[in-house]
Amino acid sequence: AQSVSQHNHHVILSEAASLELGCNYSYGGTVNLFWYVQYPGQHLQLLLKYFSGDPLVKGIKGFEAEFIKSKFSFNLRKPSVQWSDTAEYFCAVATNAGKSTFGDGTTLTVKP
Amino acid sequence: DAGVIQSPRHEVTEMGQEVTLRCKLISGHNSLFWYRQTMMRGLELLIYFNNNVPIDDSGMPEDRFSAKMPNASFSTLKIQPSEPRDSAVYFCASSLANTPSYNEQFFGPGTRLTVL
Repeated sequence: AQSVSQHNHHVILSEAASLELGCNYSYGGTVNLFWYVQYPGQHLQLLLKYFSGDPLVKGIKGFEAEFIKSKFSFNLRKPSVQWSDTAEYFCAVATNAGKSTFGDGTTLTVKP
Repeated sequence: DAGVIQSPRHEVTEMGQEVTLRCKLISGHNSLFWYRQTMMRGLELLIYFNNNVPIDDSGMPEDRFSAKMPNASFSTLKIQPSEPRDSAVYFCASSLANTPSYNEQFFGPGTRLTVL
């Protein structure tokens, strides 16, 4: 069965700082990779996704993620965070069976 | 499309009462997921269906929990009897599965359940 590990449980940054959130997964076959964001009091929304092709994926709000197959990683990055990026971020892995496995989430707090 | 619809949005009940949460999938989607989210345990997958058939219910906490899909677009999650430790936000999500490009899940707004 696949599993997802997010290394940082809580990250605190100042506005304009750069962000990188780690995500590693374990699964030997073909995977689809996702980052979801959950703003305070809201439901999860898709930030970006990788299915195939260019391993550098660009999402909404200036976020991007890089799929490194050899490292089983899909880290999320943003060059300059804003206060409005304060949220919880979930990495997820899905196989063709349709089920997604989510990481435990990383809470990002951006100080103004 | 209205997206995934959940009802009620908030539910407050007393221990021992039956609780029914409802979810309407996005039209055309064929997979349905029920999640529970708490501060202590994070996001937990309870059960998921594919084409109305339960595929994996290993996350259902115990026999007090049951889920059904009476038709392709609607699901219920029932807790009977409810206990205070069931207090959580319950999310429903849908997707179009069995196609690699369509494993993205669309989440509903959630039901915040409080069991007193």
